[in-house]
Amino acid sequence: AQSVSQHNHHVILSEAASLELGCNYSYGGTVNLFWYVQYPGQHLQLLLKYFSGDPLVKGIKGFEAEFIKSKFSFNLRKPSVQWSDTAEYFCAVNASPSGTYKYIFGTGTRLKVLA
Amino acid sequence: DVKVTQSSRYLVKRTGEKVFLECVQDMDHENMFWYRQDPGLGLRLIYFSYDVKMKEKGDIPEGYSVSREKKERFSLILESASTNQTSMYLCASSRTSGGHETQYFGPGTRLLVL
Repeated sequence: AQSVSQHNHHVILSEAASLELGCNYSYGGTVNLFWYVQYPGQHLQLLLKYFSGDPLVKGIKGFEAEFIKSKFSFNLRKPSVQWSDTAEYFCAVNASPSGTYKYIFGTGTRLKVLA
Repeated sequence: DVKVTQSSRYLVKRTGEKVFLECVQDMDHENMFWYRQDPGLGLRLIYFSYDVKMKEKGDIPEGYSVSREKKERFSLILESASTNQTSMYLCASSRTSGGHETQYFGPGTRLLVL
């Protein structure tokens, strides 16, 4: 069965620090990969996504993620975080072609950025 | 902009009550989903629907049912609410596009079952 692991459950950083959140998935075929973000009191929204092509994907607000197929990973990065990046971050996988429209989400990483 | 709305932001119900959570999307999306979000567990899929009157079980369908009579509306039903169904419920919708589709989420309904 497909699964998604986010090993960092809570991360605390100071402003201007660099960020890397890990995401590993278990599925041997073609995958579509997503990072969603949930700011306090707001609904989940897409940060970035990877379908094919360049494995380095750029998203909104200066975030990027790199798909490394050999490591089954899709880590999220940002060179310099801001206080406004405080949020919960979810990695998600949709295997394609899977015959379903199911997404598998990781358990989330809560990021707190100290001003 | 895609808009996914949920009928209530907060709901308090008693054990044994029948609970209806409504979700409406305005972008003519084929797919709709119901998740529950619990701390430390992330999002878990309850049910999804890829067409009107079609539904498929997700990972945790027990104790829930769904209804999709119109394309824009997807309802989650708790036939007899229990305290372990206290949670945040998220609705999402997406277009069909070979798995490439982005999911758009509603604001969530925080349900407390007493």
